[in-house]
Amino acid sequence: GAVVSQHPSRVICKSGTSVKIECRSLDFQATTMFWYRQFPKQSLMLMATSNEGSKATYEQGVEKDKFLINHASLTLSTLTVTSAHPEDSSFYICSATGDRGNYGYTFGSGTRLTVV
Amino acid sequence: SQQGEEDPQALSIQEGENATMNCSYKTSINNLQWYRQNSGRGLVHLILIRSNEREKHSGRLRVTLDTSKKSSSLLITASRAADTASYFCAPAPQGGKLIFGQGTELSVKP
Repeated sequence: GAVVSQHPSRVICKSGTSVKIECRSLDFQATTMFWYRQFPKQSLMLMATSNEGSKATYEQGVEKDKFLINHASLTLSTLTVTSAHPEDSSFYICSATGDRGNYGYTFGSGTRLTVV
Repeated sequence: SQQGEEDPQALSIQEGENATMNCSYKTSINNLQWYRQNSGRGLVHLILIRSNEREKHSGRLRVTLDTSKKSSSLLITASRAADTASYFCAPAPQGGKLIFGQGTELSVKP
């Protein structure tokens, strides 16, 4: 089946630094990737949708300059949290769909970000 | 895009019992998907049911879809402690983004 690999699984960074999270589709071409954020005991909140080769579409309230998304190839999308602050600490999950767009979406295993 | 709303928010049962979770949505869909999330982990795709299907089975899972009522249900039969997780439904318009509700937190006690 389709596999999405997300790295790192955990990261701790200092306040003010930037962190990059990678999401790779291993056995299919991901024309569209989605990035979610999940706070403890809450549901997943969609942050942005990225299509390969074009700019990401951000959901209302998500700062595009703070959460930089790059989807330069059909197998890789990255989310960079710039100038991270403690309130950015969260669980970030990517999801990918491609020629499977009308079928199940494949999720990465998530990245636990802690900003200290 | 639209959000599915799961009901109940929490469900606690004994091992061996059946667990039923419901999902309601508001607009037309291409398909509806159910996912499971173990604490602190990513989502695992469980089953997808298309808008022209009424029922689907996968192992101990049974999903129904009633497009006239805009609702779906997920039944887990003979539950196990390992089924303890949060369950989310995701109604999907064609090619659309998935928006998740609060989910149902299932606890299966040994």
